[in-house]
Amino acid sequence: EPEVTQTPSHQVTQMGQEVILRCVPISNHLYFYWYRQILGQKVEFLVSFYNNEISEKSEIFDDQFSVERPDGSNFTLKIRSTKLEDSAMYFCASSEVGRGNQPQHFGDGTRLSIL
Amino acid sequence: AQSVAQPEDQVNVAEGNPLTVKCTYSVSGNPYLFWYVQYPNRGLQFLLKYITGDNLVKGSYGFEAEFNKSQTSFHLKKPSALVSDSALYFCAVRRYNNNDMRFGAGTRLTVKP
Repeated sequence: EPEVTQTPSHQVTQMGQEVILRCVPISNHLYFYWYRQILGQKVEFLVSFYNNEISEKSEIFDDQFSVERPDGSNFTLKIRSTKLEDSAMYFCASSEVGRGNQPQHFGDGTRLSIL
Repeated sequence: AQSVAQPEDQVNVAEGNPLTVKCTYSVSGNPYLFWYVQYPNRGLQFLLKYITGDNLVKGSYGFEAEFNKSQTSFHLKKPSALVSDSALYFCAVRRYNNNDMRFGAGTRLTVKP
């Protein structure tokens, strides 16, 4: 069964540094998402992306965050100047359609640790 | 905005007994409701969904969920629990016209032999 893959599985970064998290969505999917899960807390929606632009974003997704689909397969989340509170698991997801009834398929996540 | 509540942090059941993991939701308009399961160090795995139609929805691994509009609930059930069902379970809701999916805080299910 096709899967969403995320790299790296664990990223350790100094506070203030930029970090890029990478995702390869399922190949025929058109909608892409990022979520985060702070340790012990709920999964939180960050952003959805379709047709090379952001379709929705949450209040968490402020100016330090950006997303990009640099080529036909990768989908990236960039955090410009990391803060300690950015430490979390970051999950990428994809779906065939958006605003519809298709489930989102999740990767195994990248654990981001900010020192 | 839509939201989900999972009132129990932890549910413990004995293997072979029925299990229920509770979820209530709040959303304007018709909801799309989902259950996901998370095993240690893994992403969220889709179990089942309610979009429209029959209130009882069947999903993967013998799980089912019952949509109750009057009680705004979408409880996850399984007639006979397995030890391998032990995991973190998340209920989620989405409005029909957007991608912003809101998750509950999760319920840790432990099935004891």
